[in-house]
Amino acid sequence: KAGVTQTPRYLIKTRGQQVTLSCSPISGHRSVSWYQQTPGQGLQFLFEYFSETQRNKGNFPGRFSGRQFSNSRSEMNVSTLELGDSALYLCASRGNNEQFFGPGTRLTVL
Amino acid sequence: QKEVEQDPGPLSVPEGAIVSLNCTYSNSAFQYFMWYRQYSRKGPELLMYTYSSGNKEDGRFTAQVDKSSKYISLFIRDSQPSDSATYLCAMSAGKGFQKLVFGTGTRLLVSP
Repeated sequence: KAGVTQTPRYLIKTRGQQVTLSCSPISGHRSVSWYQQTPGQGLQFLFEYFSETQRNKGNFPGRFSGRQFSNSRSEMNVSTLELGDSALYLCASRGNNEQFFGPGTRLTVL
Repeated sequence: QKEVEQDPGPLSVPEGAIVSLNCTYSNSAFQYFMWYRQYSRKGPELLMYTYSSGNKEDGRFTAQVDKSSKYISLFIRDSQPSDSATYLCAMSAGKGFQKLVFGTGTRLLVSP
């Protein structure tokens, strides 16, 4: 079966802009989680969506938001970008007691 | 102090060696413990998944959890150059894969 898809794979933005990242989970998986990965902090949990509802949230400022659509696809949005938001953003698709990560979106903020 | 501590390495071993990777944690509420492998420019791939204390074996990989010491380990037997990657431990106090807390990862290099 097809894996987790994230688009775009690479993104360059400037400070103050906003960005939207997309994640398409594995067919049949209803849960999508988002993580931020940086060299200094490692992987940190952002939020989880299940059946279009946010179920868990990590300790990130309100500039980070997300949503999930009825087909389980999820988007995350970061507003007013800061240099420190440069990171690899990973989504994880979960269902049937299994979990798979996507390849990530590499965001660079200049 | 981080909830999950992991030595960043790099850990360099010759092919065929037994590799031991470890994490310590401070939150006694963690019940689910995972090990992931991440190759460069890829997302993490789940290797092992255990609930509570004990051992679990899968092929060349063995995961151990000692909740009394708040210490988990991953052993890789007969290591191969293809095992060269970053290994991440992760833990959850919730059900299964919810709201994972990760270590920063140990970079492993297996030389032929």
